[in-house]
Amino acid sequence: GQQLNQSPQSMFIQEGEDVSMNCTSSSIFNTWLWYKQDPGEGPVLLIALYKAGELTSNGRLTAQFGITRKDSFLNISASIPSDVGIYFCAGQNNAGNMLTFGGGTRLMVKP
Amino acid sequence: DAGVTQSPTHLIKTRGQQVTLRCSPISGHKSVSWYQQVLGQGPQFIFQYYEKEERGRGNFPDRFSARQFPNYSSELNVNALLLGDSALYLCASSLDVANEQFFGPGTRLTVL
Repeated sequence: GQQLNQSPQSMFIQEGEDVSMNCTSSSIFNTWLWYKQDPGEGPVLLIALYKAGELTSNGRLTAQFGITRKDSFLNISASIPSDVGIYFCAGQNNAGNMLTFGGGTRLMVKP
Repeated sequence: DAGVTQSPTHLIKTRGQQVTLRCSPISGHKSVSWYQQVLGQGPQFIFQYYEKEERGRGNFPDRFSARQFPNYSSELNVNALLLGDSALYLCASSLDVANEQFFGPGTRLTVL
């Protein structure tokens, strides 16, 4: 099935470093969302973006909805060990009835 | 308030069997969506239901079916199980069709 192109696939960083990941699509989306998934659990919503160009923050997390509506990025500042997990981007279609997910970015943080 | 709940948490079946997975949405949410997440990949959309009606269907065979009850809970049924159906099945609820979706913990299905 269709998936968004999410990169990088994995990152191994030092605690305190900043992290950036992005997502691109050949299709336009009306809404972009970023989720975090821990092992054995469902994805947890981090940030939702509703307008092209929108920049939204949630604590140490910042995400932007690309101007073309075909991309989004997520930044995590000053990473901590509990940031470890898999981060997924998701685009919501015009009808709003389905999410298309990226392949995920696995983040590992070294204390 | 309780989040999205799913049952069972784990399930083991053999090829050819049928399975029913259950989901209860967040209180006040009227829409339920189902996703399949194969190990190492992002979730894939299967169905969305709103007010007991199907509002969207992903690219899955007819062996997959679902329904939503008057209390907005939902069941996902999979017939004639194949080895490739082994996955984490996620349920997500939202206030209505186009609002943010909140996920449950999933049901881990293993087909032997």
